[in-house]
Amino acid sequence: ILNVEQSPQSLHVQEGDSTNFTCSFPSSNFYALHWYRWETAKSPEALFVMTLNGDEKKKGRISATLNTKEGYSYLYIKGSQPEDSATYLCASFYNQGGKLIFGQGTELSVKP
Amino acid sequence: NAGVTQTPKFQVLKTGQSMTLQCAQDMNHNSMYWYRQDPGMGLRLIYYSASEGTTDKGEVPNGYNVSRLNKREFSLRLESAAPSQTSVYFCASSPGERPQHFGDGTRLSIL
Repeated sequence: ILNVEQSPQSLHVQEGDSTNFTCSFPSSNFYALHWYRWETAKSPEALFVMTLNGDEKKKGRISATLNTKEGYSYLYIKGSQPEDSATYLCASFYNQGGKLIFGQGTELSVKP
Repeated sequence: NAGVTQTPKFQVLKTGQSMTLQCAQDMNHNSMYWYRQDPGMGLRLIYYSASEGTTDKGEVPNGYNVSRLNKREFSLRLESAAPSQTSVYFCASSPGERPQHFGDGTRLSIL
């Protein structure tokens, strides 16, 4: 059974704080790591796709890194804003059968 | 831009009833997926189809069946609904390992 773990489960920060979450995944047969942002009452939207060990991606104040050898990825948000409040999902894609497995998500709440 | 379209958006069923959730995508993607979302559990994969004509079980396939009718359509069927299947169901599609595009979800309640 492929298990993708995210921590923490939830996070409450003040506006302006920087924060980071962790995604751990099995590295055997790994092909790609996805990060999604999921706002309440909407559907998930892709932030990043990373495939190579050492990959770093950035989109505005949000960035992500990938370590495929040890099986983890970090998502960073610099200077959190209330509009960053959402659930952040990571998912690992495996090249055996094309299956994407999601973690349980990190719920971020940013207070003004 | 339609993207991924799911129907219906809401449904209430009685225990033992059957129904089919429909999903269609207009992006010519090979891969399509069905997930369920439950509180504190993220998205759990029910079934997926890596290409037209193939389907495979995900993490939680029991109680469900799927049909990849053609490249565009991937349906999910509950043969005999149970209260444990009350959930929000999401369909998604992708061109292989690239980011998934999600539908708006189907909120299903089973009494």
